[in-house]
Amino acid sequence: ETGVTQTPRHLVMGMTNKKSLKCEQHLGHNAMYWYKQSAKKPLELMFVYNFKEQTENNSVPSRFSPECPNSSHLFLHLHTLQPEDSALYLCASSQEGSGEGYNEQFFGPGTRLTVL
Amino acid sequence: AQKITQTQPGMFVQEKEAVTLDCTYDTSDPSYGLFWYKQPSSGEMIFLIYQGSYDQQNATEGRYSLNFQKARKSANLVISASQLGDSAMYFCAMREGSGGSNYKLTFGKGTLLTVNP
Repeated sequence: ETGVTQTPRHLVMGMTNKKSLKCEQHLGHNAMYWYKQSAKKPLELMFVYNFKEQTENNSVPSRFSPECPNSSHLFLHLHTLQPEDSALYLCASSQEGSGEGYNEQFFGPGTRLTVL
Repeated sequence: AQKITQTQPGMFVQEKEAVTLDCTYDTSDPSYGLFWYKQPSSGEMIFLIYQGSYDQQNATEGRYSLNFQKARKSANLVISASQLGDSAMYFCAMREGSGGSNYKLTFGKGTLLTVNP
């Protein structure tokens, strides 16, 4: 596997279900991100982990719960979601603190989530 | 106010011609970085090009170049010799502040580029 992988690629769940999205990066990066992409809205940052520590939580509802057990893996645990949470969820990684300027974030293919 | 504005919801270009995708940004921070990403229908965001606020020259990466006009706060993407595979959504994004202190990448709404044969 190379780059950033995400599983599953597609997920349909009811509002009472509990599910998890998984992201794995094979790039040796130290920061990982969860983004939400809804139709007709800009990409929204949800969570940031740097060196496994959560450094940012963009006012995300508690029904979304991130977990970063190590610098290569990132999970997004989902419970009692709403239909408006249906979106494409993208994971990304980057190498931070490696000098001047900014390094690009590398994205995974996303998980298309539908909440019924 | 929006931090990243992409005024073109959709653009059409003929194969082998050049096309410019517009992006303007809003920040009071002297240190920032500007990125362009491509998102095909498959969903994956693909990094194209980066311009730092202190870079003296416009960034170029193969057929992609960034027309950076700092005083006008614009960072337009130029794609030369368009190919059918260039058809996709294109997003402009910005990161502000000193590296390591702000991880947030703010995206525009995107421009859907269609390349016609």
